[in-house]
Amino acid sequence: SQQGEEDPQALSIQEGENATMNCSYKTSINNLQWYRQNSGRGLVHLILIRSNEREKHSGRLRVTLDTSKKSSSLLITASRAADTASYFCATDPRAGNNRKLIWGLGTSLAVNP
Amino acid sequence: KAGVTQTPRYLIKTRGQQVTLSCSPISGHRSVSWYQQTPGQGLQFLFEYFSETQRNKGNFPGRFSGRQFSNSRSEMNVSTLELGDSALYLCASSLKRPGSQPQHFGDGTRLSIL
Repeated sequence: SQQGEEDPQALSIQEGENATMNCSYKTSINNLQWYRQNSGRGLVHLILIRSNEREKHSGRLRVTLDTSKKSSSLLITASRAADTASYFCATDPRAGNNRKLIWGLGTSLAVNP
Repeated sequence: KAGVTQTPRYLIKTRGQQVTLSCSPISGHRSVSWYQQTPGQGLQFLFEYFSETQRNKGNFPGRFSGRQFSNSRSEMNVSTLELGDSALYLCASSLKRPGSQPQHFGDGTRLSIL
Protein backbone atom coordinates (compact mmCIF):
# COMPACT_ATOMS: atom_id res chain seq x y z
CA SER A 1 0.00 0.00 0.00
CA GLN A 2 1.18 3.53 -0.63
CA GLN A 3 2.73 5.44 2.19
CA GLY A 4 4.25 8.83 2.74
CA GLU A 5 7.92 8.82 3.55
CA GLU A 6 9.73 11.26 5.76
CA ASP A 7 13.45 11.79 5.73
CA PRO A 8 15.65 11.81 7.55
CA GLN A 9 14.42 9.10 9.92
CA ALA A 10 16.31 10.78 12.75
CA LEU A 11 17.82 14.21 13.19
CA SER A 12 19.94 15.59 16.03
CA ILE A 13 20.74 19.30 16.26
CA GLN A 14 21.79 21.94 18.78
CA GLU A 15 19.39 24.42 20.26
CA GLY A 16 19.11 27.51 18.09
CA GLU A 17 19.78 25.67 14.84
CA ASN A 18 17.21 25.11 12.14
CA ALA A 19 15.71 21.68 11.48
CA THR A 20 14.41 20.57 8.10
CA MET A 21 12.35 17.44 7.52
CA ASN A 22 11.06 16.17 4.21
CA CYS A 23 8.04 14.17 3.18
CA SER A 24 7.51 12.45 -0.17
CA TYR A 25 4.31 10.87 -1.41
CA LYS A 26 3.17 8.91 -4.45
CA THR A 27 -0.22 10.11 -5.71
CA SER A 28 -2.03 13.38 -6.28
CA ILE A 29 -3.34 14.90 -3.09
CA ASN A 30 -5.96 17.34 -1.84
CA ASN A 31 -3.77 18.48 1.01
CA LEU A 32 -0.91 17.51 3.27
CA GLN A 33 -0.69 17.84 7.03
CA TRP A 34 2.17 17.85 9.51
CA TYR A 35 1.83 16.57 13.06
CA ARG A 36 4.11 16.44 16.09
CA GLN A 37 4.18 13.68 18.68
CA ASN A 38 5.94 13.97 22.00
CA SER A 39 7.06 10.74 23.62
CA GLY A 40 4.15 8.77 25.02
CA ARG A 41 1.56 11.31 23.90
CA GLY A 42 -0.91 11.70 21.07
CA LEU A 43 -0.25 13.61 17.87
CA VAL A 44 -0.71 17.35 17.70
CA HIS A 45 -1.66 19.04 14.45
CA LEU A 46 0.83 21.65 13.21
CA ILE A 47 -0.07 22.80 9.70
CA LEU A 48 -2.38 21.83 6.83
CA ILE A 49 -1.31 22.92 3.36
CA ARG A 50 -3.64 22.54 0.39
CA SER A 51 -2.52 21.33 -3.03
CA ASN A 52 -2.90 24.82 -4.54
CA GLU A 53 -0.66 26.37 -1.88
CA ARG A 54 3.12 26.45 -2.08
CA GLU A 55 4.13 27.72 1.33
CA LYS A 56 2.61 28.23 4.76
CA HIS A 57 3.92 29.68 8.00
CA SER A 58 2.95 29.26 11.63
CA GLY A 59 5.23 30.87 14.17
CA ARG A 60 8.65 29.24 13.82
CA LEU A 61 7.29 26.64 11.40
CA ARG A 62 7.47 26.92 7.64
CA VAL A 63 5.97 24.29 5.35
CA THR A 64 6.49 24.11 1.60
CA LEU A 65 4.70 21.91 -0.90
CA ASP A 66 5.95 20.98 -4.37
CA THR A 67 3.22 19.00 -6.10
CA SER A 68 5.35 18.47 -9.22
CA LYS A 69 7.91 16.61 -7.11
CA LYS A 70 5.30 15.17 -4.78
CA SER A 71 7.17 16.39 -1.76
CA SER A 72 6.86 18.70 1.21
CA SER A 73 9.28 20.06 3.75
CA LEU A 74 8.86 21.25 7.32
CA LEU A 75 11.35 23.80 8.59
CA ILE A 76 11.61 24.62 12.28
CA THR A 77 13.67 27.75 12.83
CA ALA A 78 15.62 28.61 15.99
CA SER A 79 14.89 25.21 17.49
CA ARG A 80 14.37 24.69 21.22
CA ALA A 81 14.76 21.65 23.44
CA ALA A 82 10.95 21.54 23.65
CA ASP A 83 10.83 20.83 19.89
CA THR A 84 12.25 17.37 20.60
CA ALA A 85 9.58 15.04 19.24
CA SER A 86 8.63 12.90 16.27
CA TYR A 87 7.17 14.65 13.25
CA PHE A 88 4.76 12.99 10.84
CA CYS A 89 3.29 13.97 7.51
CA ALA A 90 -0.12 12.77 6.38
CA THR A 91 -1.53 13.10 2.87
CA ASP A 92 -5.15 13.19 1.77
CA PRO A 93 -5.18 11.37 -1.60
CA ARG A 94 -7.33 12.83 -4.35
CA ALA A 95 -8.30 9.66 -6.16
CA GLY A 96 -10.23 6.57 -5.19
CA ASN A 97 -13.20 5.78 -3.03
CA ASN A 98 -11.14 4.58 -0.11
CA ARG A 99 -10.04 8.04 0.89
CA LYS A 100 -8.11 7.75 4.10
CA LEU A 101 -5.07 9.62 5.29
CA ILE A 102 -1.73 8.15 4.31
CA TRP A 103 0.85 8.50 7.09
CA GLY A 104 4.61 8.51 6.95
CA LEU A 105 6.82 6.71 9.46
CA GLY A 106 8.01 9.98 10.95
CA THR A 107 11.21 11.87 11.63
CA SER A 108 12.59 11.72 15.17
CA LEU A 109 14.04 15.12 16.08
CA ALA A 110 16.35 15.61 19.06
CA VAL A 111 17.26 19.18 20.00
CA ASN A 112 20.20 19.25 22.38
CA PRO A 113 20.47 22.11 24.88
CA LYS B 1 -13.28 22.73 25.37
CA ALA B 2 -12.11 19.31 26.58
CA GLY B 3 -9.82 17.35 24.29
CA VAL B 4 -10.10 13.78 23.10
CA THR B 5 -10.15 11.40 26.05
CA GLN B 6 -9.05 7.79 25.82
CA THR B 7 -9.45 5.22 28.58
CA PRO B 8 -7.71 3.39 29.97
CA ARG B 9 -4.22 4.83 29.44
CA TYR B 10 -2.47 1.54 30.10
CA LEU B 11 -3.64 -2.03 29.85
CA ILE B 12 -1.94 -5.38 30.31
CA LYS B 13 -3.58 -8.50 28.93
CA THR B 14 -2.57 -12.06 28.11
CA ARG B 15 -2.83 -13.89 24.82
CA GLY B 16 -6.32 -15.07 23.97
CA GLN B 17 -8.11 -12.46 26.03
CA GLN B 18 -10.19 -9.65 24.59
CA VAL B 19 -10.07 -5.94 25.28
CA THR B 20 -12.29 -2.89 24.83
CA LEU B 21 -10.86 0.60 24.48
CA SER B 22 -12.89 3.77 24.79
CA CYS B 23 -12.67 7.16 23.13
CA SER B 24 -14.61 10.35 23.87
CA PRO B 25 -14.18 12.86 21.04
CA ILE B 26 -14.21 16.63 21.28
CA SER B 27 -17.74 17.88 21.78
CA GLY B 28 -19.43 18.38 18.41
CA HIS B 29 -17.00 16.18 16.49
CA ARG B 30 -18.82 13.44 14.63
CA SER B 31 -15.88 11.66 13.02
CA VAL B 32 -13.75 9.30 15.10
CA SER B 33 -10.78 7.41 13.71
CA TRP B 34 -8.69 4.70 15.34
CA TYR B 35 -5.02 3.99 14.68
CA GLN B 36 -2.52 1.41 15.83
CA GLN B 37 1.01 2.71 16.36
CA THR B 38 4.05 0.48 16.67
CA PRO B 39 7.74 1.45 16.41
CA GLY B 40 8.36 -0.36 13.15
CA GLN B 41 5.07 0.26 11.34
CA GLY B 42 4.19 3.82 12.24
CA LEU B 43 0.49 4.77 12.29
CA GLN B 44 -1.75 2.12 10.83
CA PHE B 45 -5.36 3.09 10.17
CA LEU B 46 -7.93 0.79 11.77
CA PHE B 47 -11.30 2.37 11.01
CA GLU B 48 -13.29 5.58 10.94
CA TYR B 49 -16.80 6.17 12.22
CA PHE B 50 -19.11 9.04 11.38
CA SER B 51 -22.58 9.41 12.88
CA GLU B 52 -22.55 5.80 14.14
CA THR B 53 -21.60 4.36 10.74
CA GLN B 54 -18.28 2.81 9.84
CA ARG B 55 -17.19 4.89 6.89
CA ASN B 56 -13.73 3.49 6.25
CA LYS B 57 -11.70 0.49 7.28
CA GLY B 58 -8.02 -0.44 7.24
CA ASN B 59 -6.38 -3.77 6.56
CA PHE B 60 -6.78 -5.44 9.91
CA PRO B 61 -8.26 -8.87 10.67
CA GLY B 62 -11.83 -9.26 11.86
CA ARG B 63 -10.59 -9.58 15.45
CA PHE B 64 -10.49 -5.78 15.43
CA SER B 65 -13.90 -4.17 15.55
CA GLY B 66 -15.41 -0.91 16.64
CA ARG B 67 -18.59 1.03 17.06
CA GLN B 68 -19.79 4.54 17.65
CA PHE B 69 -22.65 5.64 19.84
CA SER B 70 -25.22 8.36 19.28
CA ASN B 71 -23.19 10.77 21.45
CA SER B 72 -20.18 10.15 19.13
CA ARG B 73 -18.24 8.24 21.77
CA SER B 74 -16.51 5.27 20.24
CA GLU B 75 -15.16 1.93 21.37
CA MET B 76 -12.87 -0.53 19.72
CA ASN B 77 -12.63 -4.18 20.61
CA VAL B 78 -9.87 -6.65 19.98
CA SER B 79 -10.66 -10.32 20.51
CA THR B 80 -8.31 -13.29 20.86
CA LEU B 81 -5.35 -11.07 21.60
CA GLU B 82 -1.97 -11.91 20.09
CA LEU B 83 1.50 -10.78 21.13
CA GLY B 84 1.68 -8.65 17.98
CA ASP B 85 -1.28 -6.59 19.15
CA SER B 86 0.96 -4.85 21.67
CA ALA B 87 0.89 -1.22 20.58
CA LEU B 88 -0.27 2.29 21.30
CA TYR B 89 -3.87 2.68 20.14
CA LEU B 90 -4.76 6.23 19.21
CA CYS B 91 -8.14 7.79 18.69
CA ALA B 92 -8.64 10.99 16.72
CA SER B 93 -11.71 13.13 16.16
CA SER B 94 -12.66 15.79 13.65
CA LEU B 95 -15.76 17.72 12.65
CA LYS B 96 -15.87 16.30 9.16
CA ARG B 97 -13.97 13.81 7.04
CA PRO B 98 -10.38 13.23 8.19
CA GLY B 99 -8.00 14.69 5.69
CA SER B 100 -10.12 17.70 4.88
CA GLN B 101 -9.23 19.27 8.22
CA PRO B 102 -7.02 18.63 11.26
CA GLN B 103 -7.56 15.64 13.46
CA HIS B 104 -7.42 15.95 17.23
CA PHE B 105 -5.75 13.03 18.96
CA GLY B 106 -6.07 11.55 22.41
CA ASP B 107 -2.98 10.40 24.29
CA GLY B 108 -3.74 6.80 23.48
CA THR B 109 -4.08 3.50 25.25
CA ARG B 110 -0.86 1.56 25.66
CA LEU B 111 -1.77 -2.11 25.32
CA SER B 112 0.75 -4.75 26.36
CA ILE B 113 0.14 -8.44 25.68
CA LEU B 114 1.99 -10.96 27.83
